[in-house]
Amino acid sequence: QQQVKQSPQSLIVQKGGISIINCAYENTAFDYFPWYQQFPGKGPALLIAIRPDVSEKKEGRFTISFNKSAKQFSLHIMDSQPGDSATYFCAALRSTNAGKSTFGDGTTLTVKP
Amino acid sequence: NAGVTQTPKFQVLKTGQSMTLQCAQDMNHNSMYWYRQDPGMGLRLIYYSASEGTTDKGEVPNGYNVSRLNKREFSLRLESAAPSQTSVYFCASSVRGLTYEQYFGPGTRLTVT
Repeated sequence: QQQVKQSPQSLIVQKGGISIINCAYENTAFDYFPWYQQFPGKGPALLIAIRPDVSEKKEGRFTISFNKSAKQFSLHIMDSQPGDSATYFCAALRSTNAGKSTFGDGTTLTVKP
Repeated sequence: NAGVTQTPKFQVLKTGQSMTLQCAQDMNHNSMYWYRQDPGMGLRLIYYSASEGTTDKGEVPNGYNVSRLNKREFSLRLESAAPSQTSVYFCASSVRGLTYEQYFGPGTRLTVT
């Protein structure tokens, strides 16, 4: 049973465009939703995160939108740059469960110059 | 601070051989995790340790054992390696609190022939 479903699997965007990655979860006990960015040959690194009591969080060009009733959240990358080309993972966790996270399968983003 | 370190970076094993992957963190984090990453399958939790002295199974524990040696170190052992264990292994750590950011190591690329 996949508790966090991520789409699309891959995404190609022109420089300056908007990249959108979507995730859906099933477990309503999840209460923290981070996004990680991973460059080839490196470990994932936290990009931005949101709690379900907030509908949107923005950090620079990166925005998370959260829809609690639909059990969906998405990452928007505005003014996408070639340096944003990486694999992005959404995750969900219960804060009472030792920070144990369930990850989506990842989205490989390519930003073309 | 070195963050999360992992050794070795690369390893090739023959079927049936054993080995231990080492992980250490210098951030005084309580919780530590072992993941495997396979193409198109995201990050899957093998084992985790909520605190020193405790370990618990994750999503895919079969064929692995772990030891939380102390607060800093968390090792993963393959007793009898199988080709299905060919993967990239990541160790991560996190601290309980308002955020549950996981800090990942650089990974170990393991090939079992």
